[in-house]
Amino acid sequence: GAVVSQHPSWVICKSGTSVKIECRSLDFQATTMFWYRQFPKQSLMLMATSNEGSKATYEQGVEKDKFLINHASLTLSTLTVTSAHPEDSSFYICSARGAASGSLNEQFFGPGTRLTVL
Amino acid sequence: AQSVTQLDSQVPVFEEAPVELRCNYSSSVSVYLFWYVQYPNQGLQLLLKYLSGSTLVKGINGFEAEFNKSQTSFHLRKPSVHISDTAEYFCAVSVPETGNNRKLIWGLGTSLAVNP
Repeated sequence: GAVVSQHPSWVICKSGTSVKIECRSLDFQATTMFWYRQFPKQSLMLMATSNEGSKATYEQGVEKDKFLINHASLTLSTLTVTSAHPEDSSFYICSARGAASGSLNEQFFGPGTRLTVL
Repeated sequence: AQSVTQLDSQVPVFEEAPVELRCNYSSSVSVYLFWYVQYPNQGLQLLLKYLSGSTLVKGINGFEAEFNKSQTSFHLRKPSVHISDTAEYFCAVSVPETGNNRKLIWGLGTSLAVNP
């Protein structure tokens, strides 16, 4: 149980275009989803936290107009990188947390999406 | 403020040798502790976690970790590594946030390279 999927697993796009990444909880209801960014050989950087049905909470320094997050249902959150530029190239990882996590509030991670902006 | 320090950014080791990846944390509140592994170009996989109880925690793939409250450490160990253990290892602590929610604080990761 507690499986999280991401789609696509990798994407290449031209500079100036927008890219949407989906994060789905396959076998549980995710009341909260997290979006992380990871640069090569570095740790995960939390970008934002989204709760179903409400606006996402962005970490300091993350542009909310650049990285649009939608959490419209208990099983789906999307991250849209708008007007992508080469510096947005990165590995994006989502995680999900639901009632099944209990008091631990455990997060379950997706496999990640590799974004390359040319 | 809470923080996680992984003392070694890179650990080279020969196959079948023992390995220890070090993790120290700083927190004024109670924490849950985790180790995750990330294979190249993949997401994170939970290796093991400490919630309470026995301070020696056993995880998948033959890994174990010991929680030491006085030293605020949670070092990861494996008695004999394989080539397939080559990966990035992240230590994380879960700390209280707002309401009943908790958030993860991450270490910078340790790159384990197992050589034949």
